[in-house]
Amino acid sequence: GAVVSQHPSWVICKSGTSVKIECRSLDFQATTMFWYRQFPKQSLMLMATSNEGSKATYEQGVEKDKFLINHASLTLSTLTVTSAHPEDSSFYICSVRTGRNTEAFFGQGTRLTVV
Amino acid sequence: GESVGLHLPTLSVQEGDNSIINCAYSNSASDYFIWYKQESGKGPQFIIDIRSNMDKRQGQRVTVLLNKTVKHLSLQIAATQPGDSAVYFCAELYNFNKFYFGSGTKLNVKP
Repeated sequence: GAVVSQHPSWVICKSGTSVKIECRSLDFQATTMFWYRQFPKQSLMLMATSNEGSKATYEQGVEKDKFLINHASLTLSTLTVTSAHPEDSSFYICSVRTGRNTEAFFGQGTRLTVV
Repeated sequence: GESVGLHLPTLSVQEGDNSIINCAYSNSASDYFIWYKQESGKGPQFIIDIRSNMDKRQGQRVTVLLNKTVKHLSLQIAATQPGDSAVYFCAELYNFNKFYFGSGTKLNVKP
C-alpha cells in the first residue's frame, strides 16, 4: 500500500486569500496523485489528476486558475485554492495509486473553512 | 464519466443484523470497483474490491456483488456492529486511471 499524509488537517482563512494544501506520499514514489473535494453529506468529487513534472489534468467544471496544482516531486503534490471564497469551504482529499489496477490510498483530508 | 453526489441516504440496522448497501455505477467500461468506508472527518478506507471478471467476492464479514448487466454493486456486511457505522461509497476505476465515486450511503447501527 501507500501511506498518504496531508497538511494541514484543518485551516480557516479569510475570503480573498489563498491557501496551500500539501499531499505527501510517504512510502511510495507517485507519478500521479488525485485531488478530490467533498461537501458535507455528499460524495467525493474528483477535481484533478496531478502529474509529476507536468501540468495537472482537470475534471470538467473545475477552474484550473482557481485550483492550482503543483506536483514538483514524486512524493509531493500541492493544491492551492486562490482567492478563496466561502463557497470553497469543503473537505479536500488527495489519493495515490501504486499500480495500474489497484486501489487508491487516501490522505486524512483537509477541512477548509473560508470566512 | 462521474456520478454526481447528492445528499446521502441513510440505512439504519440493528446491531447483529446483516446490512446491504447498494450502488449504481455509471460507466459500462469500468472494470475495477472498490467499496470504501468513510468515518466523519477522515479520508476513505478500503474495504473490499472486485474486478469485472467476477460476480462475487468475500472478505471478512463483507461480501461484494457485481452485476455488470445493470451496472450495480452491493456490499453486504454480516453481523453489523456499532463500529461499522460510517458512510460507504463505491468507486469505479475509469480508463485504468482514476476513481469516480458513487453517491454514498450512511450506515447507522443501532445498539
